[in-house]
Amino acid sequence: ETGVTQSPTHLIKTRGQQVTLRCSSQSGHNTVSWYQQALGQGPQFIFQYYREEENGRGNFPPRFSGLQFPNYSSELNVNALELDDSALYLCAIGPGQGRETQYFGPGTRLLVL
Amino acid sequence: RKEVEQDPGPFNVPEGATVAFNCTYSNSASQSFFWYRQDCRKEPKLLMSVYSSGNEDGRFTAQLNRASQYISLLIRDSKLSDSATYLCVVGPRNTGFQKLVFGTGTRLLVSP
Repeated sequence: ETGVTQSPTHLIKTRGQQVTLRCSSQSGHNTVSWYQQALGQGPQFIFQYYREEENGRGNFPPRFSGLQFPNYSSELNVNALELDDSALYLCAIGPGQGRETQYFGPGTRLLVL
Repeated sequence: RKEVEQDPGPFNVPEGATVAFNCTYSNSASQSFFWYRQDCRKEPKLLMSVYSSGNEDGRFTAQLNRASQYISLLIRDSKLSDSATYLCVVGPRNTGFQKLVFGTGTRLLVSP
């Protein structure tokens, strides 16, 4: 097991609302990435945090933002939700600290109505 | 053109069969390569890394051809439990900042 947890597991929101998703790891890993996986697609990279700083970003608008805390837990915030934001949101730890690649949490399934 | 391309399948095979998946990637600067497995409504899990020399893990064999920018996964003696989606994944560097680029996945269905 990766020891990565995410909350909540499921969430329903309406268009225009804001949402915060959370991620933590037992080992307190210093690198965390967030991905969006739409139905029938592979995960798409949103951004990565390393030691509380954004370390890289994919092609997502600024209404997708994140934070990493001193205990290395992380949040993904999405403002002004759109229907197309409905997806599985995955956080991943690594690489580094004995991990050669990224290991995923169970995800949060977001439905925007 | 997608950065990582895979045949979405599904591949329907009987138990005991050998099945091969292929994947191509467009970024020649890519340095790290993986196969992840994803079960329905679950998170992707690392199946194996892929090295230029080829590597094997039990019934699974992965190959990388950098010149052709081509990655393959061979599964021998398929089990019912192998039914899943197999994601071809490419990364820009071996360590440090790593943005993984995923294919859309190839779905495998193994039947009795």
